[in-house]
Amino acid sequence: NAGVTQTPKFQVLKTGQSMTLQCAQDMNHNSMYWYRQDPGMGLRLIYYSASEGTTDKGEVPNGYNVSRLNKREFSLRLESAAPSQTSVYFCASSFLQGDTQYFGPGTRLTVL
Amino acid sequence: SQQGEEDPQALSIQEGENATMNCSYKTSINNLQWYRQNSGRGLVHLILIRSNEREKHSGRLRVTLDTSKKSSSLLITASRAADTASYFCATELDSNYQLIWGAGTKLIIKP
Repeated sequence: NAGVTQTPKFQVLKTGQSMTLQCAQDMNHNSMYWYRQDPGMGLRLIYYSASEGTTDKGEVPNGYNVSRLNKREFSLRLESAAPSQTSVYFCASSFLQGDTQYFGPGTRLTVL
Repeated sequence: SQQGEEDPQALSIQEGENATMNCSYKTSINNLQWYRQNSGRGLVHLILIRSNEREKHSGRLRVTLDTSKKSSSLLITASRAADTASYFCATELDSNYQLIWGAGTKLIIKP
């Protein structure tokens, strides 16, 4: 089992460019999450998908969109990147909401 | 807004000593979870304690939960260099099942 995988690991964008972060899990989990982590801070929830076919906003959704492609995959899209979106992005999954979450290795994104 | 707040923000101890970090929260919870993050890596789950539990153990880890004080503590006994990491608490709100994260405690174990 690979657990939770994320691509890419690193990305540099120019302001205004768009990109999609990919996340997949092979644990048959129902719930998936996207977080961002800024230096010295905890995780902030961007969007989550409690189950296949549903997505909901978290604490900091502005500037992002998500797609729950199927039970395994949950992607995060930045339509027009801004320097304030420079961060480390983590995808996580859990069997149900509120359960133990399993994290991917993260994507380090820099927006110039 | 931060639901969980860890204390201290940073802790440096000698190898072999015990390390204690605390987490306080504001609203009713279903459970509280502790995670570890090694530098530059994803988070790894350590322990989940439910609101009706008061103490749980896992190896060298001991977690307590006091719902009347809305606080939890994580004790790592006989610390090792490999325990150097940031430790985060996350609380599952009983209102919407979301996990809310604290800012973490950075633990450094000196050899």
